[in-house]
Amino acid sequence: NAGVTQTPKFQVLKTGQSMTLQCAQDMNHNSMYWYRQDPGMGLRLIYYSASEGTTDKGEVPNGYNVSRLNKREFSLRLESAAPSQTSVYFCASSEASVPSNQPQHFGDGTRLSIL
Amino acid sequence: TQLLEQSPQFLSIQEGENLTVYCNSSSVFSSLQWYRQEPGEGPVLLVTVVTGGEVKKLKRLTFQFGDARKDSSLHITAAQPGDTGLYLCAGGSNYKLTFGKGTLLTVNP
Repeated sequence: NAGVTQTPKFQVLKTGQSMTLQCAQDMNHNSMYWYRQDPGMGLRLIYYSASEGTTDKGEVPNGYNVSRLNKREFSLRLESAAPSQTSVYFCASSEASVPSNQPQHFGDGTRLSIL
Repeated sequence: TQLLEQSPQFLSIQEGENLTVYCNSSSVFSSLQWYRQEPGEGPVLLVTVVTGGEVKKLKRLTFQFGDARKDSSLHITAAQPGDTGLYLCAGGSNYKLTFGKGTLLTVNP
């Protein structure tokens, strides 16, 4: 079982470049999430999609955009990368939109460095 | 903004010792989840507690949800090196989780 698959696993960008992080889940989950994890800051929610066709901002959305392409796929785009966006990015999915007692299943992350 | 504070931030113990990790908030959550994360991987769910006062056991791990559903604790009995990792608590409300910053546990042989 693949679960949640993120690509790429590693990426180095120069300031100002753009890129899209891809995420796909094969569990037929309704909700999908993008987080960033920084030392001493924990996991912070960037954007989420409670169901196919909807997206909403999380705690730290500035500098990012998302697309819920279909039920399986949820991508995160950095339009003009900045060094402050150097982080480990995690995609997650969850079966139920509401309530949130359902577990979230995480991918293994994308390690992004911006020079 | 809902916040979850975890303590301690770092914990280094010897194999066989017991330990407790705490997760506290001023907000009420509909559920409290505990995850463990190992280097290079994403967090993996250990347990979900939803009822105030609820206690769940997972082998040597005991999880408790506070009566007011604002806090939780994780107790590990006779810790083993395989328990080493980052332990994260997360509070659920609507369709989002708010994560604490985590407790990095190292169990030395």
